Parts: sequence; structure tokens; C-alpha cells
Amino acid sequence: ETGVTQTPRHLVMGMTNKKSLKCEQHLGHNAMYWYKQSAKKPLELMFVYNFKEQTENNSVPSRFSPECPNSSHLFLHLHTLQPEDSALYLCASSQDRVGYGYTFGSGTRLTVV
Amino acid sequence: GENVEQHPSTLSVQEGDSAVIKCTYSDSASNYFPWYKQELGKRPQLIIDIRSNVGEKKDQRIAVTLNKTAKHFSLHITETQPEDSAVYFCAANQAGTALIFGKGTTLSVSS
Repeated sequence: ETGVTQTPRHLVMGMTNKKSLKCEQHLGHNAMYWYKQSAKKPLELMFVYNFKEQTENNSVPSRFSPECPNSSHLFLHLHTLQPEDSALYLCASSQDRVGYGYTFGSGTRLTVV
Repeated sequence: GENVEQHPSTLSVQEGDSAVIKCTYSDSASNYFPWYKQELGKRPQLIIDIRSNVGEKKDQRIAVTLNKTAKHFSLHITETQPEDSAVYFCAANQAGTALIFGKGTTLSVSS
């Protein structure tokens, strides 16, 4: 492990379910990010947190709700998702400032049925 | 906001050949340009980066060049090996903003 741990690794959920993705970093980093990775698309930025404060919300639908209780933990709460939300969700963290020196987690492979 | 275009989307080379992947960016204020490698089923990992005050950076078989005037930067891999096969992503940003990534290039190196 590189120090950024994501759970679960795989998740299958129905469109009416509510689930949460978890990201934890033990690197002492101050910034954390959620990215969505779909086939044939770039890594899409979803949310940015710097010192627990959300600094960017990249026009993400409200069915995705982030939570950052402290600098080490980041959650992505999911509810009433659509099949097109199926993707790999990657968490990353960086040390001194937003944007430099990302360490990625292994991701959660989400399938919405 | 920033927009990053990456070409080609797929690249196949013979072992020992060179590979070049190109990216363009839109925001002239961007000043940091990293490259990530993602092997199948694994997380993206930083392989090399360059800042806007430098035109070229090299690390063994990997080099990155930056042309700020034209707003493009390139990844060069020499003497490719089968283990170089992966998806490569370029990205760009300015200080204090999150990275914006290109669509990725799938590099296949055949022996």
C-alpha cells in the first residue's frame, strides 16, 4: 500500500440503494480529491478538499455527496445513482498544496444495476 | 477552466523503439505538468513532472518537453520495454488548483 487506502474495492448497488465509499490516507497530506475514471474518458475531477474544507465542486450531481471529517479521511456518499455512474472512483491526496504530488488510492470499482 | 487534450489514444511500438505522447493545454496560467502511468488494474503513479520554468526534464529512459508558447508538452520514452505497456495520462494545473487530466494513451510494447 502506498498510504492511500480505499474501501470497498468493488461495489455493486441498485439504483435505489445508499452506499458510501471511504478513503483514508496516512501520509500527513492536507489535500484530498475524488476523481471518476470511466472508459475512454479522462480522469474527471469531482471534489477537492484542502484542510477539510471543500475548495472545488466540479458540477457534480447532488446524488454524489462528499464528506471530509478530518484531513485523513474522505467519504463519497452515493444515493439514487444511475447506470452511467458505473466507473472506477479514485481518491488521491497531496501534501503541501492543492494540485502537486498526488498519491492515488487503488480505487473503488462501482457498478450500478 | 483548464482543458487538456492528449494524443494519440493508442500507440503500439516494437520493443526497443521510442514512443512519444503529446498533450496540449488551454490555460496559459498553468505551470505544472505531470505524467502518470497506470498499469492494468492498478492505481495511477507519477513517473515524471515538469514545471513551467524548465523546457525539458529527463529521468533515465523517460523525458518530458514543454513548449509554453505553443501550450503543449510531450512524454518521450526511449528503448521501450514490454513493462512500459500501460495507460499514460498527462495533466496540467496552476498552483492551488486540482490537476486536470487528459484522456490517456494506451501504450502497447510488443517483443
